[in-house]
Amino acid sequence: EVQLVESGGGLVQPGGSLRLSCTASGFTFNSYAMSWVRQAPGKGLEWVSVISAGSGSIYYADSVKGRFTISRDNSKNTMYLQMNSLRVEDTAEYYCAKVRVGATVWDAFDIWGQGTIVTVYS
Amino acid sequence: EIVLTQSPGTLSLSPGERATLSCRASQSVNSIYLAWYQQKPGQAPRLLIYGASSRATGIPDRFSGSGSGTDFTLTISRLEPEDFAVYYCQQYGSSPRTFGPGTKVDIK
Repeated sequence: EVQLVESGGGLVQPGGSLRLSCTASGFTFNSYAMSWVRQAPGKGLEWVSVISAGSGSIYYADSVKGRFTISRDNSKNTMYLQMNSLRVEDTAEYYCAKVRVGATVWDAFDIWGQGTIVTVYS
Repeated sequence: EIVLTQSPGTLSLSPGERATLSCRASQSVNSIYLAWYQQKPGQAPRLLIYGASSRATGIPDRFSGSGSGTDFTLTISRLEPEDFAVYYCQQYGSSPRTFGPGTKVDIK
């Protein structure tokens, strides 16, 4: 079964840091680009970042650029999101998602995890 | 940044009715880079349509997508009880990838 499991969410004060993990199973992880998408409470979806299969292509939303870093360890079938200088407005459920076709970052997201919640409180 | 606008914000329909959801882009989107997702309360989004009109794996044929340029449509031919949810369009052909604000389809 193809599965993505996020972990690492929690409570943090403004200015703090968290590292989210997304562990994949059921597919050849190192062949697919991966992404993070977040959803603030009661709001819509916001794309955060994407990383290609070999980590050669990385893109960020302007709202997180310079504060968040996406990475992956293909030997561990895991993607990460290092979140620094957190703000109240970063409070959201964070989903990891698999790109539909492996070779490109320019595709839709066909598999999603169940999400991990990040709360930044002052 | 390509801004996506979805209408209506809420669509109130009965089971068996046809639903037509609109997604309009602030600039032209290559249709191969337009997707639709369904999200139910407490669940992760699910990919329905990619490339504007191609159904994702396992998606029933009552879901169809169409459109080009700046105007795209998701049609649900006959609403089933499980189709009442929020629907988002997304463009993934330029960065930042952007989502529309969503259309909620609820039971009339």
